[in-house]
Parts: sequence; C-alpha cells; structure tokens
Amino acid sequence: DAGITQSPRHKVTETGTPVTLRCHQTENHRYMYWYRQDPGHGLRLIHYSYGVKDTDKGEVSDGYSVSRSKTEDFLLTLESATSSQTSVYFCAIKKRDRQETQYFGPGTRLLVL
Amino acid sequence: AQSVTQPDIHITVSEGASLELRCNYSYGATPYLFWYVQSPGQGLQLLLKYFSGDTLVQGIKGFEAEFKRSQSSFNLRKPSVHWSDAAEYFCAVGEGFTGGGNKLTFGTGTQLKVEL
Repeated sequence: DAGITQSPRHKVTETGTPVTLRCHQTENHRYMYWYRQDPGHGLRLIHYSYGVKDTDKGEVSDGYSVSRSKTEDFLLTLESATSSQTSVYFCAIKKRDRQETQYFGPGTRLLVL
Repeated sequence: AQSVTQPDIHITVSEGASLELRCNYSYGATPYLFWYVQSPGQGLQLLLKYFSGDTLVQGIKGFEAEFKRSQSSFNLRKPSVHWSDAAEYFCAVGEGFTGGGNKLTFGTGTQLKVEL
C-alpha cells in the first residue's frame, strides 16, 4: 500500500464541463504522476510532478492541466471535458529507491457524455 | 523513444499449467523493467522489477521474469498458474534517473484467463 487515494472514484459529466480529479498521498513522496488507461493503449502518461509547483507534460497532455500546491496533493483538471477523455485515470507516486519504482492509486473512472 | 510490445493480447491457460507472458522493449540504455498486474476494477500492483545485476528476478505470487539484453525481452513466467492469477498484466520500461523525474512506458497489456 503506497498511501495513495484518488477522488472521486467515479464521475459522470457532460461535454464542455470542467472536471478536477484529486490524488492524495500520505508518505511525502516528491514525484507524482497522472496516467490514463484505455483499451488497446495500456497506460499513458499525462503529466507528472517533481515537486511543489514543478510539473511537466507527458505524452498525452493536450486538454489537461495539473497543479501541485502541496506535496501531498496532485490535481488533474480537464478544462472542458470531451468524450475522448472518457477513461480510467490513475495517479502514481515514485518511491525513493534505485529502481525508480512507481506505485499506483486505485483509479478514477470518468465518463464524459 | 522507448517502447514496449506485448504481442499477446489474450492468453488462456489451464489451472496448474505453466505460463509465459512475452514483453519486448526498445530503449537505448540499460532499462528499468517492470511487470504490473491489474485485477478487474483495481489499480496496478507491482509484481517484480529489474534494475541491474542478476537477470532472473523473483517477484510476488510466485512470478519470475528474465531479462535478456540480446533479445530485448523481459518475459514473465510462473510454473503453475492458479485461478486467482486471472488478470491483466502490463510490462513497462522506465527511463534511467535524470533528476527531472522518470517516466514509465507501458505495453498494451495481456489479458490472462485461467480455465479450471
């Protein structure tokens, strides 16, 4: 257990609506990540953070923004949700080990109608 | 750019039979390699990882994987599958530590079905 919670766990929203997903960790890890999981694509990195207010883009960052004002929270925002953003979103943290191991939260299932 | 290929989308095995899930990667340097398992509706659980040293790594739940640099492979094996092993399995490759945050690239997954 990596002490990661995600909220909400399920959300249904309408196209054009802003949506914010929250990832919360309790172990003070520096690195946090947001991935999306879609059938046939595995997991793809959206954004990641390497410290408070330090973030960078992943491979599928268009349409998403992130913020990290506290070590423990990493927020993912869909400014104007689209149906193509229907997905399962996973947050991950990287522990301080040599193997760069990432541990994942339980996921948020988002449906955009 | 790094990439991971899991050529088998679905695999079905009988309970008690052996299992091998294939993973091939593309990465210029020495890779960090991982296998994760995902049960339906759940998050990803780390099975095992390779960083350096012994090319045969042991993981949880009786799984092992062998790193073969010459074949760019990191196949997952289990000598005797249990019905509870039915899940989706993901191979991933990570960039070496850069100081700016590592990134994992995942394969598309292999869905394992276990027949009783």
